[in-house]
Amino acid sequence: GAVVSQHPSWVICKSGTSVKIECRSLDFQATTMFWYRQFPKQSLMLMATSNEGSKATYEQGVEKDKFLINHASLTLSTLTVTSAHPEDSSFYICSPGGGGPETQYFGPGTRLLVL
Amino acid sequence: RKEVEQDPGPFNVPEGATVAFNCTYSNSASQSFFWYRQDCRKEPKLLMSVYSSGNEDGRFTAQLNRASQYISLLIRDSKLSDSATYLCVVNGPGGYNKLIFGAGTRLAVHP
Repeated sequence: GAVVSQHPSWVICKSGTSVKIECRSLDFQATTMFWYRQFPKQSLMLMATSNEGSKATYEQGVEKDKFLINHASLTLSTLTVTSAHPEDSSFYICSPGGGGPETQYFGPGTRLLVL
Repeated sequence: RKEVEQDPGPFNVPEGATVAFNCTYSNSASQSFFWYRQDCRKEPKLLMSVYSSGNEDGRFTAQLNRASQYISLLIRDSKLSDSATYLCVVNGPGGYNKLIFGAGTRLAVHP
């Protein structure tokens, strides 16, 4: 399967700070990037979909000004959680796609804890 | 109604047991169906795709009933290493690649 990396793997920050999460697809070019988050004991929820070089499409209920997504290249996408609050504490997972759902791989995730 | 519903479990079974998980989905237009496995604090990993004719991969058998919008996963001869959360996944409205995840069914296999 494809190799996907995320950085950082975990982060603890104070309320009000911004956190940037990087997702890299190391051995293939991802035309599409999906960003998910998962709260404890809940399902992965799609937050947004981005295509390289264009603006992301956000799911209902996800604030685009709070979760900034940049997909500037085919191997790198970033998610910035701006002015993070404790309710943003979650497991954030990227998933490079474009080859069909059977070839959709997932990054190892970033665990965010906002104090 | 949730788009993908699963029994949360946990299912506690001894090694060697056979265990079955069920899942229902609400979008009749879904075309792709999967079972993923997620270990604690890890990303989900594809276990198997689910086809209308049913499919088997070693000890794992998946079935799909489109009329009932129902998917199942059967695990035979459970191993300790099968302990994980099993996620039922379908593609959702709005795109072939958009995946909708169930909350998962937790399996704990004990000696």
